[in-house]
Amino acid sequence: GEDVEQSLFLSVREGDSSVINCTYTDSSSTYLYWYKQEPGAGLQLLTYIFSNMDMKQDQRLTVLLNKKDKHLSLRIADTQTGDSAIYFCAESISGGYNKLIFGAGTRLAVHP
Amino acid sequence: SAVISQKPSRDICQRGTSLTIQCQVDSQVTMMFWYRQQPGQSLTLIATANQGSEATYESGFVIDKFPISRPNLTFSTLTVSNMSPEDSSIYLCSIVLGQGAKNIQYFGAGTRLSVL
Repeated sequence: GEDVEQSLFLSVREGDSSVINCTYTDSSSTYLYWYKQEPGAGLQLLTYIFSNMDMKQDQRLTVLLNKKDKHLSLRIADTQTGDSAIYFCAESISGGYNKLIFGAGTRLAVHP
Repeated sequence: SAVISQKPSRDICQRGTSLTIQCQVDSQVTMMFWYRQQPGQSLTLIATANQGSEATYESGFVIDKFPISRPNLTFSTLTVSNMSPEDSSIYLCSIVLGQGAKNIQYFGAGTRLSVL
C-alpha cells in the first residue's frame, strides 16, 4: 500500500541549512507536497512539486525530487527560529480524487 | 488560496456525548475533506465530502461514528458521535483548489478535541 516515511526529528543551528528527507512508495503520484505545522496551528502549504520535475526553488526553500529512488527533500536555507515547526511530506495518489498520504512529520528545532 | 474557518477551535467534552465541527470556506469548492490527527501522529483521512452526494469514508471510519453534512459548496460539518477518550485528536477540514492534476489542498486551523 501507499506509505510515506520521514525522519522524526532534526536539530539545526540558526543560520545553517536544514534538509528534511522523505521517501514515498506510489510511483504514480502526480504531485508531492510539503506542509508546515506550527505549534497549535493547522497545516500551511509550503510548496509542492510536480512529478516530472526534479527541482523547485522558492526563496529559501529548495525541493529536490529523485523519482527513481522515490526520494523527496526540502532544504531550508539560512534557517531561522521561526522555522521551528513540524514539516509533513505528502503524496497525492492516483484514483481520481485528491487523496493525500502524509508522512509522520519531521520536527525541526532551531537553536541559537 | 481561500479562507477556511473551523469552529470550535477547541473543546473539552464528556465521554458519550457528541460534538459537531463546522467548516466554512469563503469561496465555492467542490471537494472538501475531513482529517484526524491523533496526538503526536500524522494526518489520516476520515472522509471526502462532495456537495450533492453522500460522503465517502476511508477504511476504519464509518458514518454512524462520523456523520458528515455538505449542504452547499461553502460549508460542511463533521460530527464525532458517542465520544470516548480515544477520539481526542485534532480534526481538520481541507479543500481543493485548482483544476485537473494541479489540485492543491488547503487546510483549516483545526479543532482540538479532548474527551474526558
